[in-house]
Amino acid sequence: QQQVKQSPQSLIVQKGGIPIINCAYENTAFDYFPWYQQFPGKGPALLIAIRPDVSEKKEGRFTISFNKSAKQFSLHIMDSQPGDSATYFCAASGGGGADGLTFGKGTHLIIQP
Amino acid sequence: DTEVTQTPKHLVMGMTNKKSLKCEQHMGHRAMYWYKQKAKKPPELMFVYSYEKLSINESVPSRFSPECPNSSLLNLHLHALQPEDSALYLCASSLQDTSYGYTFGSGTRLTVV
Repeated sequence: QQQVKQSPQSLIVQKGGIPIINCAYENTAFDYFPWYQQFPGKGPALLIAIRPDVSEKKEGRFTISFNKSAKQFSLHIMDSQPGDSATYFCAASGGGGADGLTFGKGTHLIIQP
Repeated sequence: DTEVTQTPKHLVMGMTNKKSLKCEQHMGHRAMYWYKQKAKKPPELMFVYSYEKLSINESVPSRFSPECPNSSLLNLHLHALQPEDSALYLCASSLQDTSYGYTFGSGTRLTVV
């Protein structure tokens, strides 16, 4: 599987701050880019996803920025709260049929009160 | 119903046991997946079923045997597992022709003793 590189590996932000997590991909056939949030002992939960025909998408406090030419995308969390502390995974897929997701290695995010 | 339901939530089995993991969804998704997740790692794709037919097997050892009895159910049969197979096993489903709606269950925490 083609790689999706995710950074940083861990991140500590004060409450109300804006954590930013970045991902880069190689496979230009990818056309679906979701972000998942995972709490300990739980399965990944879809937060937000984007297609490469848009440069930005917002859902509530979560925003994806997408740069197709650079093959990069990022997650911003506005007004972060301690309840946002979790592991975040970016992923990508070809989207053209039943296909597995290629995941980044994850970012362990801690929001301090 | 927007959920993927996995049972059991926890399973402890000996290396000579035979057990099965079950997954169910009623979202009309025609693609279903098994993933394996080790601690602090991203999910790794094991199997993909598309319209109840196995379409992707990511070189998984034969001690893992998937089964898709119908469009709503997915099983993973386990036999002669090793301690290193201990992990969180995740089921997911999505629409057949797109990765949109890719939804994970909460997983089965498997411990092999």
